[in-house]
Formats: sequence, structure tokens, C-alpha cells
Amino acid sequence: DQQVKQNSPSLSVQEGRISILNCDYTNSMFDYFLWYKKYPAEGPTFLISISSIKDKNEDGRFTVFLNKSAKHLSLHIVPSQPGDSAVYFCAASTMEYGNKLVFGAGTILRVKS
Amino acid sequence: GAGVSQSPSNKVTEKGKDVELRCDPISGHTALYWYRQRLGQGLEFLIYFQGNSAPDKSGLPSDRFSAERTGESVSTLTIQRTQQEDSAVYLCASSSRTSGRRGDNEQFFGPGTRLTVL
Repeated sequence: DQQVKQNSPSLSVQEGRISILNCDYTNSMFDYFLWYKKYPAEGPTFLISISSIKDKNEDGRFTVFLNKSAKHLSLHIVPSQPGDSAVYFCAASTMEYGNKLVFGAGTILRVKS
Repeated sequence: GAGVSQSPSNKVTEKGKDVELRCDPISGHTALYWYRQRLGQGLEFLIYFQGNSAPDKSGLPSDRFSAERTGESVSTLTIQRTQQEDSAVYLCASSSRTSGRRGDNEQFFGPGTRLTVL
């Protein structure tokens, strides 16, 4: 039972354009969402997060949008850079689960120069 | 300071053998997590240690899996009688968040141990 879904296994974007990575979840108890970025042979690194009391959080080139009614969140990267090429994981948590994170399967982003 | 380290980076073993994976969290981090990532899948929670509290073992897939943590330092994940389906990257993460409401549950991950069971 996949509670966090990233339906696009990969995404290819031209340098300078916007990258939009999508994530859907099924558990309405989730109240905190995070995006992690992973390069090959490295562990995931935290990128940005959002609480369910907000619908947008911005940090530099990265913005996360949350639509609770649709149980959907997205990560926007603008402008995209070749160094952004990595696997992006969406993760969610709820107080019911303590601090455990439930991850999606990831989306491979390729930014072409 | 140093990040989360894991050893070995790669482990190849034969079916039925036991393996032990090690994690050194960031100094001072009270919370430690183990996850695994099988090919083409997301990270799957295994176990969570928080200070001196009893660990949350709800993610361990079978009784062949166990983990220990010495105080707030090193943790070892042991897999007994390994099976081919245990092949995965095993990731350890640590966090400074103690409990209750987490403003940002930022977990810092190690590079992982790639386990291959032949």
C-alpha cells in the first residue's frame, strides 16, 4: 500500500526552464511533507519542507506547493540548472507515526544544458 | 563536522549468511533511523531509535532483522540468514529532533550500504 506516490519516474528539462516534480499521498493524517534530493552513491539530502498549515514554502530557486484537498504537492525549481540533475524523493510524516518518514519512489530529474 | 557514516559501503554475501551493517550518526544527534531502498522503490522505514526510549521496530520486515544502538552513538543493523529479497541499499539517518512537534524533521542521511545477496 503506497501512501506516497511519485507517478513520474523521470523528467527531462532544459537548463533555465522550470522543473515541476509532483507527489500524491493517500493518508489524510500526513501533516508534514519534505523533499529530498539524491545523487548517485550518496545519501538523500534535505531540500525543503512544508507543514500542512501552509500551502506554499519558498527557498531560493525551490518552492513547494501543497494542495490538501487534492492530497497533492509539487516542487518547483526555477531556473533549473544542470547541477539539479538528481533523484528527488517526496516524503511525508504524521504525529501518528512519530518521526518516521514515508517516502515516494522518486523522480529522476535531468536538466539538459 | 562529520556527517553520518556507514560501513561497509558495499557487501556481497551468500544466501543464508548473517550480515552486520554499521552506522555512525552525527555527534549529538539523539534520533537514529534505518531505511532500506530496494531497486526502483522509495525508501522504506525499518527502525527508529530516540534517546533512551524503546526503539520503534514497526518497520522491520521479519524477525531475521534486528538493530541495536549504543547510547546515542553507533548503531548496527543485523540481518540473519539473508535472503535474496534482502538485497537493497540500507540507509541510516540521524536527527537532532527529540520528540513532540517537529518544526522540521530534517534527517541527515549516510551514503548507505549496498547489500547484495547471491
